[in-house]
Amino acid sequence: NAGVMQNPRHLVRRRGQEARLRCSPMKGHSHVYWYRQLPEEGLKFMVYLQKENIIDESGMPKERFSAEFPKEGPSILRIQQVVRGDSAAYFCASSPPWTSGYEQYFGPGTRLTVT
Amino acid sequence: AQKITQTQPGMFVQEKEAVTLDCTYDTSDPSYGLFWYKQPSSGEMIFLIYQGSYDQQNATEGRYSLNFQKARKSANLVISASQLGDSAMYFCAMRGANSGNTPLVFGKGTRLSVIA
Repeated sequence: NAGVMQNPRHLVRRRGQEARLRCSPMKGHSHVYWYRQLPEEGLKFMVYLQKENIIDESGMPKERFSAEFPKEGPSILRIQQVVRGDSAAYFCASSPPWTSGYEQYFGPGTRLTVT
Repeated sequence: AQKITQTQPGMFVQEKEAVTLDCTYDTSDPSYGLFWYKQPSSGEMIFLIYQGSYDQQNATEGRYSLNFQKARKSANLVISASQLGDSAMYFCAMRGANSGNTPLVFGKGTRLSVIA
């Protein structure tokens, strides 16, 4: 059973370009969470999605950032017109649909560098 | 809102010794879950241990145990018999409701260095 997959693992973008980060949850998991980790910091929640629905986006910056989790395919975190401050590690986690599951399974992360 | 505080930016421990990493939390939720994750230099997040707020006993997983003191709102991680491979960042986290589908709130982490 493959774990949570994220790609790319490393992404370099120039200021003003778009960054697209992908997350494939574990098989059978329908809940996806995106977190951002700035250098020397803990992870900060960004957005929580279920298939075709955004459940909680309270941690997402209001501009330039968007996320989706379509019926088919991976979840996508999109950052438009990237700036140097967007350089960070972006982690995706998934959990199963039943509420008794307590663990969120993390992917390996995507390291975004904005030059 | 939930908050996690880890007051030790860095810790050193001799190989084979035990070490305690501190974590205090704040929440107004009556039911919550507490987690510890390990992040080695390779960057991935590795789940270590979980404690539910209504669990009667402290959680243990191999060399890891969670010293849960509800009245003090603390959830310290104890690593016994430290190994060189334990050198990593350690994050304490919590979730507001004792279910699987709410976001985690993380502390800033403690960097543990194990010395031979």
